[in-house]
Amino acid sequence: DAKTTQPPSMDCAEGRAANLPCNHSTISGNEYVYWYRQIHSQGPQYIIHGLKNNETNEMASLIITEDRKSSTLILPHATLRDTAVYYCIVRDNNQAGTALIFGKGTTLSVSS
Amino acid sequence: DSGVTQTPKHLITATGQRVTLRCSPRSGDLSVYWYQQSLDQGLQFLIQYYNGEERAKGNILERFSAQQFPDLHSELNLSSLELGDSALYFCASSQTRTNTGELFFGEGSRLTVL
Repeated sequence: DAKTTQPPSMDCAEGRAANLPCNHSTISGNEYVYWYRQIHSQGPQYIIHGLKNNETNEMASLIITEDRKSSTLILPHATLRDTAVYYCIVRDNNQAGTALIFGKGTTLSVSS
Repeated sequence: DSGVTQTPKHLITATGQRVTLRCSPRSGDLSVYWYQQSLDQGLQFLIQYYNGEERAKGNILERFSAQQFPDLHSELNLSSLELGDSALYFCASSQTRTNTGELFFGEGSRLTVL
């Protein structure tokens, strides 16, 4: 079973920041937080991951709370092409070959 | 383009039949993962191979089997097909055995069982 809880859907206006929350209250010390997205039945796409520090790349920023029980994915300037299902996943990188287990994710709808 | 190639893109077959889905991972990637996505179940992990050996099993039915060949491509075999097997089947690859969690997914094979 997925170890994360996400809202089923969110809306965002084009050009505004999209803040997608994720709760992972049972996360353990070795587990990373990963974010993927899936655009309309295409293959899921990696966005970003982190352990305890905030992370930023060309796609998004990841903010992890100090107790690591929740995180927020931030798309700073959402566009229509960011409409997708966003998955928050926790994974222990110390376990060889551990697969990613996807939950139901959050459907983000960006509108003009 | 993720670099992961899946064939066929679409497949329509009848109940009771057998099909084979093929996956070519990114160049240099040793791990291959198979996922099934149906409308009511979301993305379900089926099985993982690393360098030709089975590494992890998820919710894979006994009617399904997979293998990874010496050239690292993988095949997922689905037999005695049922209507409920209709789904998108995704293959993903990653570089190392203890991968950093960045999986590269193909565009999927859409299976329709009539």
